[in-house]
Amino acid sequence: EAGVAQSPRYKIIEKRQSVAFWCNPISGHATLYWYQQILGQGPKLLIQFQNNGVVDDSQLPKDRFSAERLKGVDSTLKIQPAKLEDSAVYLCASSFQRAGSLDTQYFGPGTRLTVL
Amino acid sequence: KQEVTQIPAALSVPEGENLVLNCSFTDSAIYNLQWFRQDPGKGLTSLLLIQSSQREQTSGRLNASLDKSSGRSTLYIAASQPGDSATYLCAAPGSSNTGKLIFGQGTTLQVKP
Repeated sequence: EAGVAQSPRYKIIEKRQSVAFWCNPISGHATLYWYQQILGQGPKLLIQFQNNGVVDDSQLPKDRFSAERLKGVDSTLKIQPAKLEDSAVYLCASSFQRAGSLDTQYFGPGTRLTVL
Repeated sequence: KQEVTQIPAALSVPEGENLVLNCSFTDSAIYNLQWFRQDPGKGLTSLLLIQSSQREQTSGRLNASLDKSSGRSTLYIAASQPGDSATYLCAAPGSSNTGKLIFGQGTTLQVKP
């Protein structure tokens, strides 16, 4: 079974530039998550999709971050414009679960973003 | 609001030692609790998932326990090996039980040969 795919693996940009990350979840997984992991901290949920609908985006900085999951499969996360404090690893995860049930989440390798 | 704390932040042990990693959480009304492993530059790998009805879960040399009443979980690693060196994260569901995970800050383990 193929795992969660993410690209790019690394990205270096200057502040105020834009950047986009891509995630392809495990086939058949209805739920997709984007987490932000700052160095030395645990991951923090940015946004959760159930199919192509948003379940939770309470911690997404909506003035600069956006995400979409068209057709309920792949997802993109965009930052525009980036700030220095956005330097982090962005992790995508997916699970089979329907909203309200709790299955194991499978994580991709992450995209390491450095904002200069 | 669920909060998860892990102690210690870092741990260094000689090979062969048994060790315990600690995790505490504030909202005891949880369905389950998960332990993950993260290697440098890699994503997270699920190690153990303990359902709220269980007291412990075992996989090989790993044993995780869950005590909801005290808001604590422990991960016991027996006969540690250098290959166990990694960051270990525990995660509890958010209070809304939508599937969102609240992570601790992790314990970075180094096992010296």
